[in-house]
Amino acid sequence: NAGVTQTPKFRILKIGQSMTLQCAQDMNHNYMYWYRQDPGMGLKLIYYSVGAGITDKGEVPNGYNVSRSTTEDFPLRLELAAPSQTSVYFCASSPRVDRLEQYFGPGTRLTVT
Amino acid sequence: AQSVTQPDIHITVSEGASLELRCNYSYGATPYLFWYVQSPGQGLQLLLKYFSGDTLVQGIKGFEAEFKRSQSSFNLRKPSVHWSDAAEYFCAVGGGTSYGKLTFGQGTILTVHP
Repeated sequence: NAGVTQTPKFRILKIGQSMTLQCAQDMNHNYMYWYRQDPGMGLKLIYYSVGAGITDKGEVPNGYNVSRSTTEDFPLRLELAAPSQTSVYFCASSPRVDRLEQYFGPGTRLTVT
Repeated sequence: AQSVTQPDIHITVSEGASLELRCNYSYGATPYLFWYVQSPGQGLQLLLKYFSGDTLVQGIKGFEAEFKRSQSSFNLRKPSVHWSDAAEYFCAVGGGTSYGKLTFGQGTILTVHP
């Protein structure tokens, strides 16, 4: 049972490039979340999903897109990367929305230059 | 809108000393409250949670937290800190029909001196 996995661990992008951050969980959790973490700012919710085929915006969705074609995978797409997207990205999953317990992946550190 | 404030950005304690990390929240209904810990370069790990019932909750690694509704607080405590407790600690709030969404505080960095 690997839990929540994220790839890659590190990435450097040039301004205007695109990339997909991968997130997968093997716990059969319906709820999945993408956060970004900036120093001194805590974690901000980018997008979330309540099940396959259902996604919705969080607090800071601009510049990102998501899809959820399977229960296991929840990729985050960056189009036209900007320096403001330099951050650490965390994916999380939860088995039950009423308990709100989230399990986090190890994160992806992204630098846009 | 819900929010969480952690007033202390950085706290330094000596090993063996007691610890209290502060957390104040704003939430329109009964809150679900959490403390997470993040070691350098790692993801977040759940320390403890409060949903209802006893206002003093116990967590992993010897941590506890007390929910005080009148003060809108959920402070984290540990009677004797170990060097391995050095990390960043996040308080979070959620609940109701928020689809499991959590709002996190800014985090408190804990440094432990030998």
